[in-house]
Order: sequence, then structure tokens, then C-alpha cells
Amino acid sequence: DAKTTQPPSMDCAEGRAANLPCNHSTISGNEYVYWYRQIHSQGPQYIIHGLKNNETNEMASLIITEDRKSSTLILPHATLRDTAVYYCIGRSGNEKLTFGTGTRLTIIP
Amino acid sequence: GAVVSQHPSWVICKSGTSVKIECRSLDFQATTMFWYRQFPKQSLMLMATSNEGSKATYEQGVEKDKFLINHASLTLSTLTVTSAHPEDSSFYICSARDGRTELGTQYFGPGTRLLVL
Repeated sequence: DAKTTQPPSMDCAEGRAANLPCNHSTISGNEYVYWYRQIHSQGPQYIIHGLKNNETNEMASLIITEDRKSSTLILPHATLRDTAVYYCIGRSGNEKLTFGTGTRLTIIP
Repeated sequence: GAVVSQHPSWVICKSGTSVKIECRSLDFQATTMFWYRQFPKQSLMLMATSNEGSKATYEQGVEKDKFLINHASLTLSTLTVTSAHPEDSSFYICSARDGRTELGTQYFGPGTRLLVL
């Protein structure tokens, strides 16, 4: 699976869009980019995944660069409940997930 | 939906005893389930991959005789921590691969916090 690099922490004002970057320069052609988040003392929550095209669901949008070497998770209107550690993971097929250290996102009131 | 439950949510036990943790996929069948462990301020570490009806595959450094995994049905996997010691105290999280889709997105349970005294 591709190694991913994320900033260790970020702050975002409540109500603003939170943009979380992820670098995955070694991602292979068949690897999807998955995003999960973990709120304190809970299990990880699936957010979104994509391969090449940008994706959007009720939780977030995922923007993947054309060369697929990086992506950005966008939470359009951050709330205090979005404070969590966000993990960007490369995964091919239905292989296991390997978690890195993620980005600790803090939403500021 | 894709809901995964774990039971119990927390457990305290004496050193030397065994503890069983259940992981269930509530609204989908999961041919594969995964068990993770998370220590404070650390990321999730995969312990083992559990396939229904077959033996689990353990990650390097995880003792299979200490962490017994049984995946008896498409909706249930259990992790038994045998002869638990204080260093086994941790947050144990399971996930289940959604068998309804080819990609098989993994969904996680809420976790079980184990404290060994």
C-alpha cells in the first residue's frame, strides 16, 4: 500500500471549510485513497474514498490531483463535532488498511 | 447502513484471566474481519485478519496463542485475550469488510477498552 504523508495537526474555525491535505506520491494505479476519522475514544469512521475522480457524499468531498500524487479532504462547513484525527490511507483492491499517524483536526468555536 | 458492534465496550479483569471480545456486523455479511489494537496517543495497529471458516492471519509480533481469534459466521468474530497481563491493557477495535461490494469498504466497531489489573 502507498505511504501517505499528512500534517500532524490543523485548526479550522467553526463554520468554515476544513481542507485536509494528503500526499501519496508512491500510490499505484489500482490503489484507492480512503479517508477515515477517529473521534476521541471511538472506533474509526469511514468518510469517503476515490480512485481518480473527485468524489462527494453527505459527509465530505475528496479532491484528487490529476497525477494522483496528492488529495484533499474537504469538510464544507466544519462543526465542533468534526474535531478528530483524520487518516488518509492508500488501499488496493480489498486489502487491509494500514493506519499512519493522521492529522489531528481541531475545530475552533 | 454498515454498522459494526462490539461487546463489551469496556472490561476490567484480573491478571491471568481470559477476556473475550465480540465483533458483529449488524446489517451486512463480512467474509473478512480485522482486529486492531491502539495504545494511548498512538495509531491503530493491525493485529490479525480473520476470514470466516478459516484460521486467522496474524501480523508479525502478535502471538497467536495469546490472542485467539474465531470467525465462526459471516457476522461474528471473537477475540480472546488469554492469560491477560497489565501490558495487554489497550483499546481493541474490530472492523468488518462489507461483502456487498467488490471493493469491500471496511467499517469499524466502537472499540473495547481493556484494563488488566
